[in-house]
Amino acid sequence: DTEVTQTPKHLVMGMTNKKSLKCEQHMGHRAMYWYKQKAKKPPELMFVYSYEKLSINESVPSRFSPECPNSSLLNLHLHALQPEDSALYLCASSQERSNQPQHFGDGTRLSIL
Amino acid sequence: QKEVEQNSGPLSVPEGAIASLNCTYSDRGSQSFFWYRQYSGKSPELIMFIYSNGDKEDGRFTAQLNKASQYVSLLIRDSQPSDSATYLCAVNTGSARQLTFGSGTQLTVLP
Repeated sequence: DTEVTQTPKHLVMGMTNKKSLKCEQHMGHRAMYWYKQKAKKPPELMFVYSYEKLSINESVPSRFSPECPNSSLLNLHLHALQPEDSALYLCASSQERSNQPQHFGDGTRLSIL
Repeated sequence: QKEVEQNSGPLSVPEGAIASLNCTYSDRGSQSFFWYRQYSGKSPELIMFIYSNGDKEDGRFTAQLNKASQYVSLLIRDSQPSDSATYLCAVNTGSARQLTFGSGTQLTVLP
């Protein structure tokens, strides 16, 4: 069992749909992350939140919109996605210090029709 | 560009043998090093991390750092078929919370 919980585990959506991915951690971490991972590739960083503020946006298209309502929650709002956005979306959290390990959730497997 | 490189494998070892996984990094300012295990279709799982001040052993796993040569290794003793997975090396330079991942090494432990 992981201490970072992601929902849903699987999501299938059309290109015109709007959906949200959710992530929750109860480890008291103050940094949270979104990654995208394609098959047989390493995770690619999308966004970093530190103390509920967006600190890094890796030039992600605006059809991905992150939100951090509080220190335990992280959302990723999806709109007008493309088939190439199909991937495993991973949430991670860590303590605030930059050298601390990141702990990943189980991920959401996203398929765009 | 900061890079982390791993041999993609596949690396095959017999059950009970020592599996040795290596990772090189380009940024001399790197201060923390992480090994993640990822089973097919699953998310990365943190198994070891070390800082620039030394090596670390945890059960069957040992992580070693060679700063002069800029590589970090993961040794798995008494390898088990359940160790078969992709092992991702990740490096943090300390100036940001960004991890740079290697492409991963696929390990197969043969019964």
